[in-house]
Amino acid sequence: EAQVTQNPRYLITVTGKKLTVTCSQNMNHEYMSWYRQDPGLGLRQIYYSMNVEVTDKGDVPEGYKVSRKEKRNFPLILESPSPNQTSLYFCASSKGLLQGAPKYQETQYFGPGTRLLVL
Amino acid sequence: AQKITQTQPGMFVQEKEAVTLDCTYDTSDPSYGLFWYKQPSSGEMIFLIYQGSYDQQNATEGRYSLNFQKARKSANLVISASQLGDSAMYFCAMREGRGSGTYKYIFGTGTRLKVLA
Repeated sequence: EAQVTQNPRYLITVTGKKLTVTCSQNMNHEYMSWYRQDPGLGLRQIYYSMNVEVTDKGDVPEGYKVSRKEKRNFPLILESPSPNQTSLYFCASSKGLLQGAPKYQETQYFGPGTRLLVL
Repeated sequence: AQKITQTQPGMFVQEKEAVTLDCTYDTSDPSYGLFWYKQPSSGEMIFLIYQGSYDQQNATEGRYSLNFQKARKSANLVISASQLGDSAMYFCAMREGRGSGTYKYIFGTGTRLKVLA
């Protein structure tokens, strides 16, 4: 089954304790992305990756790190979490944009979300 | 700056009636994509419909259609024959930046739709 998986689904942690949220996709997608969702703010892009070893900042990258060593995995790292990073996090992937490619290749498919609480 | 605006925080619609959810966007990129996603109370993000900036015709997917007015920079979602299961949060999103070789996605703040029996 084609899917994007995230782990853990729920996490409660304390300020300053490093954590990693994993994201994996089995669709051979080139583009992967992390979002956070907060009430009234919609989804905001944290980081994205065009391909292996290619990452770039989204709109809210402060306090987060990512890496893309393999095509299928795109972990989100919080080196020193703070309470303002309490949020619902989504990982997403898409095939990517190629000239002449079918339009649905740019549609993103989302993981189930990770709900993080930082105390 | 690139932006997506959804001006309706919440809406009600009677079952079996049609409803339009508004979305306006702002970008200077000539190539962009517009998306609508549904987020039910269970939390997952479900893709509904896509419109490319160069597409001549409005996109349709079953009961969903996208009313694309390029000059007005609007991409409204129309749901026909509403069902109780359509009650959810709906997000409009835009992909932009293709011409630069990299691209980003921007989401609106969402519209919460409640379908009444």
